[in-house]
Amino acid sequence: NAGVTQTPKFRVLKTGQSMTLLCAQDMNHEYMYWYRQDPGMGLRLIHYSVGEGTTAKGEVPDGYNVSRLKKQNFLLGLESAAPSQTSVYFCASSWIAGGPGELFFGEGSRLTVL
Amino acid sequence: AQSVTQLGSHVSVSEGALVLLRCNYSSSVPPYLFWYVQYPNQGLQLLLKYTSAATLVKGINGFEAEFKKSETSFHLTKPSAHMSDAAEYFCAVSLNTGNQFYFGTGTSLTVIP
Repeated sequence: NAGVTQTPKFRVLKTGQSMTLLCAQDMNHEYMYWYRQDPGMGLRLIHYSVGEGTTAKGEVPDGYNVSRLKKQNFLLGLESAAPSQTSVYFCASSWIAGGPGELFFGEGSRLTVL
Repeated sequence: AQSVTQLGSHVSVSEGALVLLRCNYSSSVPPYLFWYVQYPNQGLQLLLKYTSAATLVKGINGFEAEFKKSETSFHLTKPSAHMSDAAEYFCAVSLNTGNQFYFGTGTSLTVIP
């Protein structure tokens, strides 16, 4: 049972380059989320989706774009990477927003921007 | 906006001692509350969750947490620490009406042999 899978797991970029992180879940969850984790700051929500074809901004959306063309996939894009975007990115999914549901996390994608 | 405060970014306990990790939340309505654990180089895993059914919630690996509305707290405890409990612990809150989970900044637990 794969759960939530993130690719790639590691990536090094130069300032100004672009890239896409892919998140795939096989649990038929409606809700998907992208978080970034930085030391001393916990997890901060970048963007989220409440269903196929929908996206919404979280706490720190600037510099990122997302797409949810298929229910099982949630893509996070960086159009012009900046050193401030060096972080560990986590994708998560949930079968119901808030409520008694819980978040299921991927193993993370470590991004370094030089 | 909701917020979650975890007191103590680092906690050290001796093996076999009580573990107490503190979490306070701000919410105008009763929230759903969660504790997650993160082992090195892994994603977060759910330890336990409060969904208004009972104020004392038991989770995996012997952990439990008590919801205290009057204190807006949801502290995590374990009677006897084990070496395998060393990890980062996150408290999170969510509202039934919202689509977002708000996380605390985390507490790193060290267990001393």
